[in-house]
Amino acid sequence: AQSVTQPDIHITVSEGASLELRCNYSYGATPYLFWYVQSPGQGLQLLLKYFSGDTLVQGIKGFEAEFKRSQSSFNLRKPSVHWSDAAEYFCAVVDWYNNNDMRFGAGTRLTVKP
Amino acid sequence: DTEVTQTPKHLVMGMTNKKSLKCEQHMGHRAMYWYKQKAKKPPELMFVYSYEKLSINESVPSRFSPECPNSSLLNLHLHALQPEDSALYLCASSQERGPHGYTFGSGTRLTVV
Repeated sequence: AQSVTQPDIHITVSEGASLELRCNYSYGATPYLFWYVQSPGQGLQLLLKYFSGDTLVQGIKGFEAEFKRSQSSFNLRKPSVHWSDAAEYFCAVVDWYNNNDMRFGAGTRLTVKP
Repeated sequence: DTEVTQTPKHLVMGMTNKKSLKCEQHMGHRAMYWYKQKAKKPPELMFVYSYEKLSINESVPSRFSPECPNSSLLNLHLHALQPEDSALYLCASSQERGPHGYTFGSGTRLTVV
């Protein structure tokens, strides 16, 4: 079945430490891939997106993501986390080849320890 | 203007009330979307409008009625809701349906009592 999976429900990192949030997808053709961040009670903000080309994508707020076709993954990374990065992070896909609109993974809640 | 504006931010309504949620964008986007998000869950797609025509209805109950009066506005009319309909309702827009990022509004927090 077509799906986007975020294996980690909750991650805690110390401020200043590096971060990697995982995202895997299962689609016949590579969908378009996105990462969004949501602070409590807020809407979603686009961090970065991948359609094609360079597999390392730079986003806002110091985030980057790497597309790995062989692993069907699109993991989000940040070298040094700030307390303000605490939020919910959603990986999302647009399976345009099957005319489907944006669908989201279950989300990963990030807690940042002082 | 690079925003999607949703009003009201908060809404409390009784099960017999009729209310409407409003979404507005002035980015020239031709696709607009309604998502429903329950607490600690991802957003779930409800409706898709493309060029002001309803393209997708994800089997949403008829007590939710979308409307797209023009290319900048998207409404969600609510009638006879149930307490389980309490959620954050998010509006989004994109250039067109397809390989584009979506811009999301801040949402309307709906409580049905």
